[in-house]
Amino acid sequence: GAVVSQHPSRVICKSGTSVKIECRSLDFQATTMFWYRQFPKQSLMLMATSNEGSKATYEQGVEKDKFLINHASLTLSTLTVTSAHPEDSSFYICSATPWGRGDEETQYFGPGTRLLVL
Amino acid sequence: DAKTTQPNSMESNEEEPVHLPCNHSTISGTDYIHWYRQLPSQGPEYVIHGLTSNVNNRMASLAIAEDRKSSTLILHRATLRDAAVYYCILRAVPYNQGGKLIFGQGTELSVKP
Repeated sequence: GAVVSQHPSRVICKSGTSVKIECRSLDFQATTMFWYRQFPKQSLMLMATSNEGSKATYEQGVEKDKFLINHASLTLSTLTVTSAHPEDSSFYICSATPWGRGDEETQYFGPGTRLLVL
Repeated sequence: DAKTTQPNSMESNEEEPVHLPCNHSTISGTDYIHWYRQLPSQGPEYVIHGLTSNVNNRMASLAIAEDRKSSTLILHRATLRDAAVYYCILRAVPYNQGGKLIFGQGTELSVKP
């Protein structure tokens, strides 16, 4: 199998607070993980590529100081939304690509985290 | 990576085959054709991918035109659970070399009982 989990599944926070979202590959190791965000009725937008043991690569227009990404191990990446504001409310989705299993062409996605900033 | 064009929406009847088209006229020789789908309020799910030859797996079939400028995802027998947004994406570079998936708008498939 290839299961990716995210925690929490949904979070409500006050404006100005920081929120951490975890992404774990449960049954495989992933050298590369990705973070996306999705607004209602829109497609997924890639935010950044996270590589284990190195700095994340952010897409153009994504503020790296606002969306902190840490990929501390081969099974865990975290996204921290710092000083969240209502416009950061969105559906955040992570994905991971397996390493050494023969299905490196596949991205496995987590179930998503719905963030609501009041 | 080259761009793809898909119809915004399609309708299907339950238990009938569905053919989802994708145009990619500027595809390069190293672009793999990937299909993912996203059910409502869930993360996307891998469906199938291919390079030049047609591909089959337990979920679907991928038919690739001889000139590779288009492809078709085939669901052999649609079920209500197949109602989702289907994304056709091209990717040339392996993920461990900086490759990534760039999602377009996809095709929203509805399945009628």
